[in-house]
Amino acid sequence: AQSVTQLDSHVSVSEGTPVLLRCNYSSSYSPSLFWYVQHPNKGLQLLLKYTSAATLVKGINGFEAEFKKSETSFHLTKPSAHMSDAAEYFCVVSDQASSGTYKYIFGTGTRLKVLA
Amino acid sequence: GAGVSQSPRYKVTKRGQDVALRCDPISGHVSLYWYRQALGQGPEFLTYFNYEAQQDKSGLPNDRFSAERPEGSISTLTIQRTEQRDSAMYRCASSLGYNRVMETQYFGPGTRLLVL
Repeated sequence: AQSVTQLDSHVSVSEGTPVLLRCNYSSSYSPSLFWYVQHPNKGLQLLLKYTSAATLVKGINGFEAEFKKSETSFHLTKPSAHMSDAAEYFCVVSDQASSGTYKYIFGTGTRLKVLA
Repeated sequence: GAGVSQSPRYKVTKRGQDVALRCDPISGHVSLYWYRQALGQGPEFLTYFNYEAQQDKSGLPNDRFSAERPEGSISTLTIQRTEQRDSAMYRCASSLGYNRVMETQYFGPGTRLLVL
């Protein structure tokens, strides 16, 4: 079965320092992978997605992620954290279920805290 | 343009009552998805529609849950005879095209349901 593991439920960084949010996936073949961000009282917003083109994917707000098939990872990074980055981040794999539907499988989320 | 909207944003109900949750997708989007998100977890797939046709309802937990999208636009998720375990955030998403592996889903703000 497809699954996504977000290794850290909480991450704290200081403003201006790098951000690393880790994600590992399992999938039957080449999946599509996404990172979404959720700010309080708002819907999930797409940060970036990987769809088997370039393995290094650039997203909005300076975030990027690298698809590493050998490590089954899709970690999210940002060179310099900003206070506005404080939110919950979800790693998602889209894969075909036995029903034929392509389903989003969400990780449990990583809550990012940015310290002044 | 307008994103996905959901109503109500918050719903408190007593055990045994029926509730109806509404989702208004982005205009022109073909596919519509419902998810349920328990506290501390990522969203889990419930069901999805292409236009008015319900394509997959494998994620609905039991027959108290049903969904419809009669005119291929607005959708309603109905929970009959609510139970306390139904308390969760219910999220709706829509996508432009048919269900495909790389399709981006756009999420609404969610409806938080509390069953007393």
